[in-house]
Amino acid sequence: AQSVTQPDIHITVSEGASLELRCNYSYGATPYLFWYVQSPGQGLQLLLKYFSGDTLVQGIKGFEAEFKRSQSSFNLRKPSVHWSDAAEYFCAVGQRYGNKLVFGAGTILRVKS
Amino acid sequence: DTEVTQTPKHLVMGMTNKKSLKCEQHMGHRAMYWYKQKAKKPPELMFVYSYEKLSINESVPSRFSPECPNSSLLNLHLHALQPEDSALYLCASSHSITGFSEPQHFGDGTRLSIL
Repeated sequence: AQSVTQPDIHITVSEGASLELRCNYSYGATPYLFWYVQSPGQGLQLLLKYFSGDTLVQGIKGFEAEFKRSQSSFNLRKPSVHWSDAAEYFCAVGQRYGNKLVFGAGTILRVKS
Repeated sequence: DTEVTQTPKHLVMGMTNKKSLKCEQHMGHRAMYWYKQKAKKPPELMFVYSYEKLSINESVPSRFSPECPNSSLLNLHLHALQPEDSALYLCASSHSITGFSEPQHFGDGTRLSIL
């Protein structure tokens, strides 16, 4: 069965500092990987996705993620965090003929000025 | 701006009421989804519609009744809900109908409170 682990429930970073949010997945076949962000009171917004090809993918709002098959990881990064990045971030994995998009538990990002 | 529109944004109802949540998308997507999200938790899949037909029901209680009148609209009819049903209900759509390999686009949700 597929599973997604986000080891960090909360992360606090200073504005302007770099960010890395961790995501590990368990899935036997080729995973389809996503990062979503959710601001309070809002729905989920897709930041980026990985299906195949270049393992470093660029997303919106200056985010990027790197797929590492050997480590079963898909970590999200941003070189310089802005106060508006404070939100909850979800990693998710899907499969081409599966029946469910599996979400991690989420990581809440706090940005301090 | 989200491309999936949900109404109402907030809903308070008693346990004996009947109400409906509505979702609309105009991206030509062929799959639509209902999720339930409790506070500080990830979304939980409830239903999936593909080409306006119900394809997945994640063992959701019958007090939740989905309906897909056409390819752009998705409703969730609510009746005799329980306090534990209070949550954020999210609608999503995607181009893919064969699984979950393509991104889902989410609405901003309906915040539902059951008295």
